[in-house]
Amino acid sequence: DGGITQSPKYLFRKEGQNVTLSCEQNLNHDAMYWYRQDPGQGLRLIYYSQIVNDFQKGDIAEGYSVSREKKESFPLTVTSAQKNPTAFYLCASRTGSQETQYFGPGTRLLVL
Amino acid sequence: AQSVSQHNHHVILSEAASLELGCNYSYGGTVNLFWYVQYPGQHLQLLLKYFSGDPLVKGIKGFEAEFIKSKFSFNLRKPSVQWSDTAEYFCAVIPPGGGNKLTFGTGTQLKVEL
Repeated sequence: DGGITQSPKYLFRKEGQNVTLSCEQNLNHDAMYWYRQDPGQGLRLIYYSQIVNDFQKGDIAEGYSVSREKKESFPLTVTSAQKNPTAFYLCASRTGSQETQYFGPGTRLLVL
Repeated sequence: AQSVSQHNHHVILSEAASLELGCNYSYGGTVNLFWYVQYPGQHLQLLLKYFSGDPLVKGIKGFEAEFIKSKFSFNLRKPSVQWSDTAEYFCAVIPPGGGNKLTFGTGTQLKVEL
């Protein structure tokens, strides 16, 4: 069953803590993306990766970090430097140069 | 700043009413255009897309959109909505030289009442 999985579904972060959100895809897609969704603001790009071992900052990368050691995995770390982390985080992947991005189910991050 | 605008933030319609959601973008040159939908509790999924060719694009579930280059618009339409169309709708654009990065509008929350 192909698709994009994100875990956990809900994640709680304490002040000063780093947390990591998982994104895995078995679609054999080359490119992967992380977005943040806030009410009334749509989706904003945090980081993206076109190939393994390479990634670029999106529009709101401050306070986040990523890695792309494997084609199927693109974890996102929300660091303590991110002062407003409460949001819904969406991972997406794409293959080809003009193909559609497919989205995972999302992780909701809440601050305790 | 260059952007994607969705002017209707909340829309409430009765079943069988016609729908048109506006989307405007401010990029010059060739763009790729998308409409995504997010049903309550579900994944964001593609409704339709436009890359080139016929500017009237048909998507899933009876939705269509028309690309009007002179107006920088890509409005979403459906002749007769159903209660199950209640969802949030996002317009998105890959701008010229955008490196396949999607820029999203702020979304329109559609509620269809019985």
